[in-house]
Amino acid sequence: LAKTTQPISMDSYEGQEVNITCSHNNIATNDYITWYQQFPSQGPRFIIQGYKTKVTNEVASLFIPADRKSSTLSLPRVSLSDTAVYYCLVGDEYPRGGSYIPTFGRGTSLIVHP
Amino acid sequence: NAGVTQTPKFQVLKTGQSMTLQCAQDMNHNSMYWYRQDPGMGLRLIYYSASEGTTDKGEVPNGYNVSRLNKREFSLRLESAAPSQTSVYFCASSEAVEREQYFGPGTRLTVT
Repeated sequence: LAKTTQPISMDSYEGQEVNITCSHNNIATNDYITWYQQFPSQGPRFIIQGYKTKVTNEVASLFIPADRKSSTLSLPRVSLSDTAVYYCLVGDEYPRGGSYIPTFGRGTSLIVHP
Repeated sequence: NAGVTQTPKFQVLKTGQSMTLQCAQDMNHNSMYWYRQDPGMGLRLIYYSASEGTTDKGEVPNGYNVSRLNKREFSLRLESAAPSQTSVYFCASSEAVEREQYFGPGTRLTVT
């Protein structure tokens, strides 16, 4: 199974840039990398998705090196409301179908301090 | 546009009882998923449906069955509930299996 590894927790302060890295050594050729944010008692919410190089949207950037064995979610100028758990998701190829099976990592708990 | 809806929001079962969790999406998505999340843990995929008419096992399928009733609805059934199935269950949908998923609010299930 494709496995992801993220830091269990991170601390930051309001206004700082936060970078969360996810390792995915066994990523398959056709897999996308997707990041989600989850607040307590809520379902995860999509943040950003990419395949290679760099992707940017209104809330975050995603950096993916050429070998695609890792990815970094960058949150610019975090605020208290960014305190949440962040999940890195990559495809997982099961033997029987070879189709894309989403596998969540353990997530990174980000705490933003005033 | 409600997105992904789940019913019920909360449920308490006794060991051995059965129940069905309902999920519906109004985004015309092809793929749907069921996850469970235990305290302090990430999400684990139970079953998914890549497209209408297909279902497949995820990481933790034992003790569960699913039905893709139509393109909108995907239900999860516990035939004989066990305390180990106490968890929060999330349904999600996406345009295709590799695209971003949209999650429902979750069902908090307790089995005593």
